[in-house]
Amino acid sequence: QKEVEQDPGPLSVPEGAIVSLNCTYSNSAFQYFMWYRQYSRKGPELLMYTYSSGNKEDGRFTAQVDKSSKYISLFIRDSQPSDSATYLCAMSANTGNQFYFGTGTSLTVIP
Amino acid sequence: DSGVTQTPKHLITATGQRVTLRCSPRSGDLSVYWYQQSLDQGLQFLIQYYNGEERAKGNILERFSAQQFPDLHSELNLSSLELGDSALYFCASSHPVGGYTFGSGTRLTVV
Repeated sequence: QKEVEQDPGPLSVPEGAIVSLNCTYSNSAFQYFMWYRQYSRKGPELLMYTYSSGNKEDGRFTAQVDKSSKYISLFIRDSQPSDSATYLCAMSANTGNQFYFGTGTSLTVIP
Repeated sequence: DSGVTQTPKHLITATGQRVTLRCSPRSGDLSVYWYQQSLDQGLQFLIQYYNGEERAKGNILERFSAQQFPDLHSELNLSSLELGDSALYFCASSHPVGGYTFGSGTRLTVV
């Protein structure tokens, strides 16, 4: 079983839609969670960084962590064509250790 | 600009050859992480260095090796290259708010 599972999509939505991206994990020791956005063949860019359970909001982006279910989500409100990219979740038990990545979900926002 | 510099951006080489990928971490950051990203495997952790010392090793092949120098730049050496080694290789260092910040990557094509 992989440490982190992420639906690869692809996901296609109309502009303005609310997008929900999800990951599940198996290691209950994970407590640091990240979401990255990666445009085609570019370096991943950090979007959200959260610790433990709860919600974190930054502009149109909201990250949710449910440690009891080992489930994390990223919501994008009022999606824009510029949000079209691959979204990767990542997590770790300790900030000094390696992060484990999901395989990424490909998102296309149609104008 | 993430502050993490990788060179070269592109590399094309033949099977059996040896290449060196270079990374300079964000200014003042002691950590370097190397990741491999292929189409079917996602981001795979290879190795981590901290202030010149190897700290963690992931799915790194014996044909691959890395080191971090006193000026904190790091090199990833890939030898006896095979077609399957074709991938994007990313270097990362610590992000100010947590997690990683990635370089723009080196695209390696083995022909």
